[in-house]
Amino acid sequence: QVQLVQSGAEVMRPGASVKVSCKTSGSYYMHWVRQAPGQGLEWIGIINPSGGGTTYAQKFQGRVTMTRDTSTSTIYMELSSLRSEDTAVYYCARDLERHAFDIWGQGTMVTVSS
Amino acid sequence: QSVLTQPPSASGTPGQRVTISCSGSSSNVGSNTVHWYQDLPGTAPKLLIYTNNQRPSGVPDRFSGSKSGTSASLAISGLQSEDEADYYCAAWDDSLNAVVFGGGTKVTVL
Repeated sequence: QVQLVQSGAEVMRPGASVKVSCKTSGSYYMHWVRQAPGQGLEWIGIINPSGGGTTYAQKFQGRVTMTRDTSTSTIYMELSSLRSEDTAVYYCARDLERHAFDIWGQGTMVTVSS
Repeated sequence: QSVLTQPPSASGTPGQRVTISCSGSSSNVGSNTVHWYQDLPGTAPKLLIYTNNQRPSGVPDRFSGSKSGTSASLAISGLQSEDEADYYCAAWDDSLNAVVFGGGTKVTVL
């Protein structure tokens, strides 16, 4: 059973940056999705773990950076200039086909608070 | 305001059939495949239907999906208490160059 294992919860100050990791397996394209408390799902972006190519949602462009470490099969999502509205559970998810997410990480709670 | 439009709620009694709609446009649902997720509190979302009407292994055949033009729908037949959850549709949007989600539909089993 393939699993995606994410890093632990974070509490950050406004203006800071957070970096969330996700240990993967295989060479599937990987996505990041977030869900604010009581809210719906929001797509952040996609990374090709092999070539490193990325596409970000327009809302996050300039604030998000997705990278990967092929030696450890780990991907990272760094979000900068954090504000309270960034408080959410952040998920990594595997792209099965045509942007269908069949396997999800357990989620990483990021809380932005002064 | 979500790019894909879903009704905020739906309900039914055990055994009934419930249908959830997902309305989009030519740049998303009209030209790309639609996927559906089940979201239970405290857990990661689960892929329920992919590529309009395909069920991943392990998903009961009570769940079915369809698409026509710029609209898609998820049907749950033989509704069970454990189906009480939030359901989201999603698709790639060619204009936004992004995955877009519906706002979610909360299904209540009466």
